[in-house]
Amino acid sequence: ILNVEQSPQSLHVQEGDSTNFTCSFPSSNFYALHWYRWETAKSPEALFVMTLNGDEKKKGRISATLNTKEGYSYLYIKGSQPEDSATYLCASPSMQGNTPLVFGKGTRLSVIA
Amino acid sequence: DGGITQSPKYLFRKEGQNVTLSCEQNLNHDAMYWYRQDPGQGLRLIYYSQIVNDFQKGDIAEGYSVSREKKESFPLTVTSAQKNPTAFYLCASSTQGLADTQYFGPGTRLTVL
Repeated sequence: ILNVEQSPQSLHVQEGDSTNFTCSFPSSNFYALHWYRWETAKSPEALFVMTLNGDEKKKGRISATLNTKEGYSYLYIKGSQPEDSATYLCASPSMQGNTPLVFGKGTRLSVIA
Repeated sequence: DGGITQSPKYLFRKEGQNVTLSCEQNLNHDAMYWYRQDPGQGLRLIYYSQIVNDFQKGDIAEGYSVSREKKESFPLTVTSAQKNPTAFYLCASSTQGLADTQYFGPGTRLTVL
């Protein structure tokens, strides 16, 4: 089974701080990397899908980068707000092509006002 | 509104009873998935289906069964053979490919007494 690791497990930041966290995955047979945000009492929702080495995606104050050669992706949040509090999940297919996603355990972010 | 519905939100059952969790989608997605989440764990794949009348085991299929008689519906049965059934269960769907973006339902929390 593909091993997708996320760090840190949890993070507490003050409102207005910028923060980032990491998703690591095996660099061999890479196909795609997904980021999801899961707010309490809601369903996980997709943030980004990245496929190419060097990809950068942005959605408002949230951005992500991808390094497929070394097997990691960073998620950045600029000027964190309390509404950014959520668990952020990354996922990657277990092999190239049409295989199911394997999810990391997530990073739980709490933004304190 | 298009989306995925799961019912019920909370479910209580006595030990030794089978229980079926409902998942319905009106997104016209081909692929559907069932995940289980436990505290401190990521989403773990139970079963998935890419087409009507076909499904495959995920990483933790023991003690579970599914059916896919209609494109819109993918019910999960938690059988008495599942040793630790108390958990949060999420259903998801995606357009076609297993590595595509997934759309999640609100989840069902099952408690076995």
